[in-house]
Amino acid sequence: AQSVAQPEDQVNVAEGNPLTVKCTYSVSGNPYLFWYVQYPNRGLQFLLKYITGDNLVKGSYGFEAEFNKSQTSFHLKKPSALVSDSALYFCAVRSGYSTLTFGKGTMLLVSP
Amino acid sequence: NAGVTQTPKFQVLKTGQSMTLQCAQDMNHEYMSWYRQDPGMGLRLIHYSVGAGITDQGEVPNGYNVSRSTTEDFPLRLLSAAPSQTSVYFCASSYSADLKSNNSPLHFGNGTRLTVT
Repeated sequence: AQSVAQPEDQVNVAEGNPLTVKCTYSVSGNPYLFWYVQYPNRGLQFLLKYITGDNLVKGSYGFEAEFNKSQTSFHLKKPSALVSDSALYFCAVRSGYSTLTFGKGTMLLVSP
Repeated sequence: NAGVTQTPKFQVLKTGQSMTLQCAQDMNHEYMSWYRQDPGMGLRLIHYSVGAGITDQGEVPNGYNVSRSTTEDFPLRLLSAAPSQTSVYFCASSYSADLKSNNSPLHFGNGTRLTVT
C-alpha cells in the first residue's frame, strides 16, 4: 500500500530562517507526491506536487520541495520563513487513480 | 465562484440520530470526495465520486453513505451517528479524477465540525 510518513509533529523556526518539513514515502511503482497546507479553521490548500521530471519542485507562496528517490523523501522547504507560514502541513501520495493518502500532518510554528 | 461550500459549519448530534452533511461545488468538477480529520491521524478518505452516478468507498466508509445525483452536489449521510464519528469533515473536489494530472489539485471546503454525544 502507498503511504507517507511525517516524522515531526511540530517544527519550530525563527522568522527569516530557512525551514524544512520532512516527508518520506513508501510506494510501489512511480511516486506521485503532494504538499497541502491548512490554516486555522480552513480547508486544505494545494502547495505543490511531484509527478516526474526535476527533483526540485517549486510551488505557491515561495515553497519548494525536493524529491529524493534514493532516500524516498519529499521534504518541503522555504529559504526564509514568515510568521504567516505558521500552519499545519500535510504530505500526500496518490494511492490510487482517484485517491490520495495523507500523512498525519506537521505543525509549523514560525516565531517573530 | 464560491468554490466548495459545506453546510452546516457546526453540528451536535445525539447517538443514533441521522443527518446529512451537504457539499456543493460550482466549478464543474468531475471528482468529489469526503475526508474526516482527527487529531494525530491526518485526513482519511471516506467516500469519493469520479462523476455523477458513480461513487466508491475510501479508507473508512463504514457508517456513511453517499450519492452523486448531480455534478455539483455530493452529500454525506450518517444513518445512525456514533461518538466515534465525532470529527471534522472536509469535502474536496477536483476538475479531473486522475489526481496526478495538471488539472487535479484538490479544492477543499472549510469543513463541518461534528460532535456526537
